[in-house]
Amino acid sequence: EIVLTQSPGTLSLSPGERATLSCRASQSVTSNYLAWYQQKPGQAPRLLIYDASSRAPGIPDRFSGSGSGTDFTLTISRLEPEDFVVYYCQQYGNALAMYTFGQGTKLEIK
Amino acid sequence: QVQLVQSGAEVKKPGASVKVSCKASGYTFTSYAMHWVRQAPGQRLEWMGWINAGKGSTKYSQNFQGRVTITRDTSASTIYMELSSLRSEDTSMYYCVRGWFFDLWGRGTLVTVSS
Repeated sequence: EIVLTQSPGTLSLSPGERATLSCRASQSVTSNYLAWYQQKPGQAPRLLIYDASSRAPGIPDRFSGSGSGTDFTLTISRLEPEDFVVYYCQQYGNALAMYTFGQGTKLEIK
Repeated sequence: QVQLVQSGAEVKKPGASVKVSCKASGYTFTSYAMHWVRQAPGQRLEWMGWINAGKGSTKYSQNFQGRVTITRDTSASTIYMELSSLRSEDTSMYYCVRGWFFDLWGRGTLVTVSS
């Protein structure tokens, strides 16, 4: 099973700043099948990025994904107040058809 | 409207089973994989398993092997998740989700396990 480790656990920044969230896999992610989700309190997660760098429909262009192999990054270029929530990475589509999530990064207002 | 509508909250006793439903609408049900994901209060997301809505084939997380069963009814565009031998640690929000990557989520069904 691929284990995903997100860092940092909590990131304290101010609105307007740039956020960089990391997701590291215990082994190479098949075809860079890595997604990022945003979860607001009391809501279901929302897909932001798939295939490591493709933005989902309707997602603002301040969200971008990058990386390959075992190291992936979600970047939020200019933080808006509504961005201060929790983010998860996920790998999908491996040969065993198993899916795993990272433990999450909480983005909080400094 | 493309959406997944889940059944209502459940309260169960330890040792019992629970069956949660998820009705899809607004798209071709049999063209997508469907998954169940759960989240205990304040905890991370946990993938439970998936079903090929067209073929009916399934795959389960090893963490739930033997306790979870995912089925579907194509005539009703609905999938089901049954979890048996419930314990207090199974108290969670249970989400049904669509797709290869999870592009559509239900609003969740809260399952509480308490004596």
